[in-house]
Amino acid sequence: DSGVTQTPKHLITATGQRVTLRCSPRSGDLSVYWYQQSLDQGLQFLIQYYNGEERAKGNILERFSAQQFPDLHSELNLSSLELGDSALYFCASSASLGMNTEAFFGQGTRLTVV
Amino acid sequence: GDSVTQMEGPVTLSEEAFLTINCTYTATGYPSLFWYVQYPGEGLQLLLKATKADDKGSNKGFEATYRKETTSFHLEKGSVQVSDSAVYFCALGRNTGTASKLTFGTGTRLQVTL
Repeated sequence: DSGVTQTPKHLITATGQRVTLRCSPRSGDLSVYWYQQSLDQGLQFLIQYYNGEERAKGNILERFSAQQFPDLHSELNLSSLELGDSALYFCASSASLGMNTEAFFGQGTRLTVV
Repeated sequence: GDSVTQMEGPVTLSEEAFLTINCTYTATGYPSLFWYVQYPGEGLQLLLKATKADDKGSNKGFEATYRKETTSFHLEKGSVQVSDSAVYFCALGRNTGTASKLTFGTGTRLQVTL
């Protein structure tokens, strides 16, 4: 158990809909990262938050947004869903801003868009 | 930008065989390098890391050495076990001081048979 909790584990929804994925980081971790894992694109970095502030953006679509709340949990919002958004979405957390501390990954949310 | 290239899988080995999974990277400066492992149905777990040139990361019998001259971070294990069957990801960590992210390779599936 990494200590990072993601809910829900599975999500099936229709095209055009909106969903929210939730992540609770390890206790005390200030950094939260979101990644998308798909068969054709592999693991893609989406976005990083640190102590409530957005710090880095990767290949995140405009239809996607995220935030980190004062209690440090994070949500990834995906809207106007398309079939191609079907993927495994991972959240990771780390204690500090940098890459020298280990990032711990949750078990992921598997999103299926039908 | 940063990129990571790792050998295509799947790799199928007999138990007790020697394992090498090649990983090379393209990056400026001095990134950190990581190997993550993903067991079926689980999130990624850090296997080992190296933060500067010539560092050797090791864990659970796995080793990798940060070679700046060849921009490589190959994963090795002297004697694999069935329980090592998983997908292995090489990753590069970039820390800009105000943000950080991991760039992953495409993953290499390892299957170990008796």
